[in-house]
Amino acid sequence: DVKVTQSSRYLVKRTGEKVFLECVQDMDHENMFWYRQDPGLGLRLIYFSYDVKMKEKGDIPEGYSVSREKKERFSLILESASTNQTSMYLCASSGLTLLDTQYFGPGTRLTVL
Amino acid sequence: RKEVEQDPGPFNVPEGATVAFNCTYSNSASQSFFWYRQDCRKEPKLLMSVYSSGNEDGRFTAQLNRASQYISLLIRDSKLSDSATYLCVVNRRHTGANNLFFGTGTRLTVIP
Repeated sequence: DVKVTQSSRYLVKRTGEKVFLECVQDMDHENMFWYRQDPGLGLRLIYFSYDVKMKEKGDIPEGYSVSREKKERFSLILESASTNQTSMYLCASSGLTLLDTQYFGPGTRLTVL
Repeated sequence: RKEVEQDPGPFNVPEGATVAFNCTYSNSASQSFFWYRQDCRKEPKLLMSVYSSGNEDGRFTAQLNRASQYISLLIRDSKLSDSATYLCVVNRRHTGANNLFFGTGTRLTVIP
């Protein structure tokens, strides 16, 4: 079974703190993704990566950065957390073909006070 | 116009009923289509892929109409365990990655 794990299920941070969210997959997938999910807005893509050290902006990259130093690990960084970044953050991975679906981690519910 | 649009519901149906969800997508270049299921406070999980010829998996049937840019999901003989949010998902290749566009989901509650 594909497994995608995320470092925390729940996280509470203060405004201005630097926040690291980590994601690890064990399926040797090339592609990895970070989304946030908010009520009424659905899943929105923040950043994705299709190879080690490669990254591309998604639909809402502002206020976020990412790092992919190893194939299995994709980190999302909030340089200076703000209250509007309170959300559910979901990491996903997939293979390369068009028929490859994305497998999600359990999510991290981040609250910024 | 949103990439993927769905009726948010909620759909409240009795056990044993048949229910259908529809979804439209805006980009004719879209190449792969899926339905995901998301339970409350859980991550989305693949329910089924949608093929041009239509496909069936037990009580679930998915259809694709490329001309109308329309995807559907039919659930027969609804079970209580079918209660969830159903996400319509469209894949479009972008650079080196397969990007997915997610609909906001249709919420289904099956009532005893």
